[in-house]
Amino acid sequence: DTGVSQNPRHKITKRGQNVTFRCDPISEHNRLYWYRQTLGQGPEFLTYFQNEAQLEKSRLLSDRFSAERPKGSFSTLEIQRTEQGDSAMYLCASSTPNQPQHFGDGTRLSIL
Amino acid sequence: QKEVEQNSGPLSVPEGAIASLNCTYSDRGSQSFFWYRQYSGKSPELIMFIYSNGDKEDGRFTAQLNKASQYVSLLIRDSQPSDSATYLCAVRGTDKLIFGTGTRLQVFP
Repeated sequence: DTGVSQNPRHKITKRGQNVTFRCDPISEHNRLYWYRQTLGQGPEFLTYFQNEAQLEKSRLLSDRFSAERPKGSFSTLEIQRTEQGDSAMYLCASSTPNQPQHFGDGTRLSIL
Repeated sequence: QKEVEQNSGPLSVPEGAIASLNCTYSDRGSQSFFWYRQYSGKSPELIMFIYSNGDKEDGRFTAQLNKASQYVSLLIRDSQPSDSATYLCAVRGTDKLIFGTGTRLQVFP
């Protein structure tokens, strides 16, 4: 059990650029979640997958955001045309159904 | 009203004391409750979860749940400086977690 892995750990980009983050869940976990956390706040839910199916999306997830989990293993979160307000820590978590979620180390996004 | 509410703190306790962290939630139908610890600049780490009314103990940590009053608490006995962190309360809604803003705990020697 190597835990949830996220890459990159840090991403600095200019406003208007596209960015993509990757999450590798714990191997036996079929559920994968994305959250966003800004300074002084708790994590906010963005979306989650059960295997390759995306089952729920938050209204926080604007049209510029897209997430995939093509083979039910790793997942990617892409943000197009980044804005200043996208600066945050993006957290991935995984679990099996009805079990606690375990988080990766996160990807910190900074928009210049 | 926020769905999960916590006092942001900081809560300052001396080393060796009991730290008591509280959380209230608005959805009476909630069934699963979690406490995560988050060090500055790091990701949340699960430390306790509780599903039934009453107390659940794990080492120095005790989670308490009262569904009638819609609150959940975390007690940390024999607090250590290494316990200084932000403690996030989370409630499972459908399958996602709904977090409070966290309580910052400071344990001073």
